[in-house]
Amino acid sequence: SQTIHQWPATLVQPVGSPLSLECTVEGTSNPNLYWYRQAAGRGLQLLFYSVGIGQISSEVPQNLSASRPQDRQFILSSKKLLLSDSGFYLCAWSVNLRGYTFGSGTRLTVV
Amino acid sequence: DAKTTQPPSMDCAEGRAANLPCNHSTISGNEYVYWYRQIHSQGPQYIIHGLKNNETNEMASLIITEDRKSSTLILPHATLRDTAVYYCIVPTQGGSEKLVFGKGMKLTVNP
Repeated sequence: SQTIHQWPATLVQPVGSPLSLECTVEGTSNPNLYWYRQAAGRGLQLLFYSVGIGQISSEVPQNLSASRPQDRQFILSSKKLLLSDSGFYLCAWSVNLRGYTFGSGTRLTVV
Repeated sequence: DAKTTQPPSMDCAEGRAANLPCNHSTISGNEYVYWYRQIHSQGPQYIIHGLKNNETNEMASLIITEDRKSSTLILPHATLRDTAVYYCIVPTQGGSEKLVFGKGMKLTVNP
């Protein structure tokens, strides 16, 4: 069966520090991978999506970047965190639109 | 993505049917309607999707009007655990494989 792993569950980082969130998928090949963010009290915002290794599409300009070094690995990074980067980060995968599967999320607080 | 509109919130009594409306008047002939829900502090969960015909699964039923300009998600016997934000999404067919979440509708099931 397919599973998605996302870690850590919570993270508190100082302003200006780097960030690396990792997401891995098991049980499927060549999935589409996505990073979403949900700020407090707001909706889900699509940040990045990838249809293959090394292929990253950015949805909004921001202080973050994404990489896909392997077929089932998706990484969200920042060189220097801002207070506005705080939020709930969700990784998701799909083979097609008929069924996104989301990870359990990382709650990031930048202090 | 084709625009959808949902009421911001709705209440329902436990054990009763919850009927969640969605308008998608600009939907194209080959675009599907997807429903997801997000329980607090979790990732969104796929519920159901449909094109023209009514659909039913173990979670819910989806009723799509004949002109396809609106649909209703039906939870036949709402429980307290159905309290969540429900998203009605019509992804653009032929575009990139991504779901863009709007504000959704908060359903509160009351005891």
